[in-house]
Amino acid sequence: QKEVEQDPGPLSVPEGAIVSLNCTYSNSAFQYFMWYRQYSRKGPELLMYTYSSGNKEDGRFTAQVDKSSKYISLFIRDSQPSDSATYLCAMSASSASKIIFGSGTRLSIRP
Amino acid sequence: DAGVIQSPRHEVTEMGQEVTLRCKPISGHDYLFWYRQTMMRGLELLIYFNNNVPIDDSGMPEDRFSAKMPNASFSTLKIQPSEPRDSAVYFCASSSLLGDNEQFFGPGTRLTVL
Repeated sequence: QKEVEQDPGPLSVPEGAIVSLNCTYSNSAFQYFMWYRQYSRKGPELLMYTYSSGNKEDGRFTAQVDKSSKYISLFIRDSQPSDSATYLCAMSASSASKIIFGSGTRLSIRP
Repeated sequence: DAGVIQSPRHEVTEMGQEVTLRCKPISGHDYLFWYRQTMMRGLELLIYFNNNVPIDDSGMPEDRFSAKMPNASFSTLKIQPSEPRDSAVYFCASSSLLGDNEQFFGPGTRLTVL
């Protein structure tokens, strides 16, 4: 079993819809949780960063961490075609631990 | 800063040939990572360096793969001999810390081994 599991998709939704992307993990030591966005033929870029449990909001994006369930989510409100990309979750246990990436979910927003 | 620089951007080679991928990290970053990305396996960490020293190469698939970092501004990933199953996008990334810090990725090298 992988440490971090992520549905690869693809996920296709109409413009304006709310998108929910999710990851589950098995290592209870993970404390730092990130979402990277990767556009086609580009490298991943950090989108959201959270520490421990709770929610974090940045514009149309909300990251949610539920450590009791070992489950993290990224919500995108009022989705736009420009949000079409692959979203990778990532997490680590400490500043001295490697970041473990999920395999990524491919998202397409239909105009 | 120009960000992480990788070369070449595309490489097409024949099975059995040697392939060398190059990376220039962001100045001042102490950590450098090499990743491989495929549809089947996602993003895999191959090896990472701290202050030019290889720390964890447990992700290197086999002895055909080797990586070096002769100085703080340059690293190479070499595959010799290359095989068709090595076809993937190879990313280099750098960061100032290991675990709770943003990693900055280069644009990647798309390798095709025929």
